[in-house]
Amino acid sequence: EPEVTQTPSHQVTQMGQEVILRCVPISNHLYFYWYRQILGQKVEFLVSFYNNEISEKSEIFDDQFSVERPDGSNFTLKIRSTKLEDSAMYFCASRGQGPNNSPLHFGNGTRLTVT
Amino acid sequence: AQSVAQPEDQVNVAEGNPLTVKCTYSVSGNPYLFWYVQYPNRGLQFLLKYITGDNLVKGSYGFEAEFNKSQTSFHLKKPSALVSDSALYFCAVKVGGYNKLIFGAGTRLAVHP
Repeated sequence: EPEVTQTPSHQVTQMGQEVILRCVPISNHLYFYWYRQILGQKVEFLVSFYNNEISEKSEIFDDQFSVERPDGSNFTLKIRSTKLEDSAMYFCASRGQGPNNSPLHFGNGTRLTVT
Repeated sequence: AQSVAQPEDQVNVAEGNPLTVKCTYSVSGNPYLFWYVQYPNRGLQFLLKYITGDNLVKGSYGFEAEFNKSQTSFHLKKPSALVSDSALYFCAVKVGGYNKLIFGAGTRLAVHP
């Protein structure tokens, strides 16, 4: 079964540095998402992306964050200047062109540690 | 505000016994509800969804969920728990047009042999 893949599985960075989290969604999917899960807390929506533009974003997704689909396969999340509170598990998800209630497929996540 | 509540941080069940993981929701309009499971160091795996129709929804790994509109609940159930069912379970509701999901806080299910 096709999977969403995320790299790296674990990223350690210093506060103030830029990080790029990478995702390869399922190949025929058209809707893309980033969620994050701070340790011990709930999974939170960050952003959705469709037709090469952001369709919705949460209040968490401030100017420090950006997303990009640089080619036909990758979907990236960039954090421009990381803060300690950005430490979390970041999940990429994608969805096909079916009904808009079709389930999201999640990757295994990237654990970001900001020191 | 639209939200999902999972009132139990943890549920403990003996193997072979039935299990229930509770979820209640608050949304405007008809709810689209989902259950996901998270195993250690893994992403969220889709279990089942309720969109419309039969209130009892069957999903993966023998799980089912019962939608109750009057109680605004969508409890996850399984008739006979397995040790391998031990994981973190998330209830979620779809909001908006792009399938944004609002998740509950999660319930850790521990099935003991």
